Amino acid sequence: EDQVTQSPEALRLQEGESSSLNCSYTVSGLRGLFWYRQDPGKGPEFLFTLYSAGEEKEKERLKATLTKKESFLHITAPKPEDSATYLCAVQADTSGTYKYIFGTGTRLKVLA
Amino acid sequence: DGGITQSPKYLFRKEGQNVTLSCEQNLNHDAMYWYRQDPGQGLRLIYYSQIVNDFQKGDIAEGYSVSREKKESFPLTVTSAQKNPTAFYLCASSWTAEKLFFGSGTQLSVL
Repeated sequence: EDQVTQSPEALRLQEGESSSLNCSYTVSGLRGLFWYRQDPGKGPEFLFTLYSAGEEKEKERLKATLTKKESFLHITAPKPEDSATYLCAVQADTSGTYKYIFGTGTRLKVLA
Repeated sequence: DGGITQSPKYLFRKEGQNVTLSCEQNLNHDAMYWYRQDPGQGLRLIYYSQIVNDFQKGDIAEGYSVSREKKESFPLTVTSAQKNPTAFYLCASSWTAEKLFFGSGTQLSVL
């Protein structure tokens, strides 16, 4: 069964304290892995797409990496404005239909 | 500016009532989606449409209906058959097999 698991469920960091969020997946026919940021009461905002193992993408304090079984979202020297829920999703090719499977997210709180 | 517009932001449903959530996009995307988000759960797919006048059931379609008469519009009706409709509903669109663009969501509650 296709599945996406994110850990930890919640994470509290002091401002400047770097850490990583994990997204592990089991899916047949992986086409891409996506990271989104979601603020309370709002829709998810796209961050990154990763397509193949070894690929890395960076944006400001965020860096996403991908292996054959998992992806990491590294947050370097976070600031309070980085507080949000981070969602991981994989896109699977299911008999010609492209299906997105979402994890439950990691709630990040960065304290000043 | 291009984007996806969902309305209303908040919606209240009385028992036995059908309600319709609006979703409009001006991104010229072919595919549109409806997701339901509950606390502690991942986004779950309700319905999706890859072209006008065609749509498919997702994982939790029971109690919901959709239409896709125009490329820009994909309204979702929550029927009285949906016994637990309280949730945050998200509409998304994409080029086929590309990243999803999301609207700002509709919070539906039961009176």
